[in-house]
This record gives sequence, C-alpha cells and structure tokens, in this order.
Amino acid sequence: QVQLRQWGAGLLKPSETLSLTCAVYGGSLSGYYWSWIRQPPGKGLEWIGEINHSGSTSYNPSLKSRVTISVDTSKNQFSLKLNSMTAADTAVYYCARGRIPGYPTAFDIWGQGTMVTVSS
Amino acid sequence: DIQMTQSPSTLSASVGDRVTITCRASQSISSWLAWYQQKPGKAPNLLIYKASSLESGVPSRFSGSGSGTEFTLTISSLQPDDFATYYCQQYNSYSRTFGQGTRVEIK
Repeated sequence: QVQLRQWGAGLLKPSETLSLTCAVYGGSLSGYYWSWIRQPPGKGLEWIGEINHSGSTSYNPSLKSRVTISVDTSKNQFSLKLNSMTAADTAVYYCARGRIPGYPTAFDIWGQGTMVTVSS
Repeated sequence: DIQMTQSPSTLSASVGDRVTITCRASQSISSWLAWYQQKPGKAPNLLIYKASSLESGVPSRFSGSGSGTEFTLTISSLQPDDFATYYCQQYNSYSRTFGQGTRVEIK
C-alpha cells in the first residue's frame, strides 16, 4: 500500500524560503503526477503545483513566480520550494498523488500534512 | 482559472437524513470532478472521482452526479461518521481548483 510521508521546517520568518520533501513508500514515483496542496487555518484547499517522474511540472498561476517543485527518482521523493514567504503563506501543506498515471486527475493518496507558520 | 462554487457553505442535518451538496464550475469541466471528505486535523479523503465513480472502500451511501458545470454529492442516509467538511475539485485543466467547502454539522 502506497504511503506518503512528508517533512520540512515548520516555522519560517518573512522572506525566507519554504522547503518540504515528500517520500513515496510502498510504490514508485514512475508514471504518476505528484502534487503539493495547502490549506490556511480554517480555510479551503489550494493546489500549488505538480510534477511527474520525468520532471515535467505545472504550477498554480497565482504562485508560479515563487514555486519550484523537483523530483529525485533515486530516493523516490519529490520536493517543494516556495520563496519570499509571508504570513499569508501560513498553512498546512500536503503532498498528494494523482490517482491515474499520466493524467491530471483526482488525488487518492495524501501525506500527513505539515503545518508551516510564517512569523517574525 | 476555473472557479468552483459550493452550496451551501454549512448544512445542519440529523443522522439518517438524505443530504445533497452542490458544486458549480465557472465553465464546463465535462465529468472531471472529484469529491473529498475532510475531518479536523486530517488530510482530505477521496470519495468520488470522474463525477460519479465511487473510490474503492468508500461506503455506497455516497454518490455523485452531474456533468458540464453542475454537480452534486449525495449522502443517502447520513451516519455519525459523516459529519465533516466536503470539497469538490475540478481537474479539467492543468491548474486544479477546489470549491470552498461545505461543512456538514449535527442538527
């Protein structure tokens, strides 16, 4: 059974760069699209972007200028970097898998979430 | 971007009630719509994909319908475990968007 486990710094200062990693256990990165999604406290879900095993990416236009998603197939991991963080970026960040290989699709497997707080 | 609008924002219901949540897209998304359930402190859980297909392991009291711009999630007989927040999500375009959520609370 495929599981996602994610980690990264939970407290950042304004202007710093968020760095999160998500590891895939019990399966391979190959063929699927892997996304990052966030949820501000008490609010709804926002898709940040995605990557496939070959490194092809797609980003939310509202965040595109600040986001980089990368993949390390040797470690079965993918990562998120979001620069110039502000208080508005405070949220729980999730990694997730697209359920059908090769297509933009619904998310069937999610990481446990990482609470990221931006405060001076 | 395709905007997704859910209604209602909050729904009060009793155990055994039939519950319907609506999701509208700002443009046609064919049947490329998913529904999720989220409980406090937990990641969302996929219920329905492709508008009406039930994800494996999800109880059959959950069903989805619709196409184009209007979709519904129905819970045929609300159970205590179903009190949660529900989100729709479109995947018609490479920029995915979610609805704002519908909280189902105990009446």
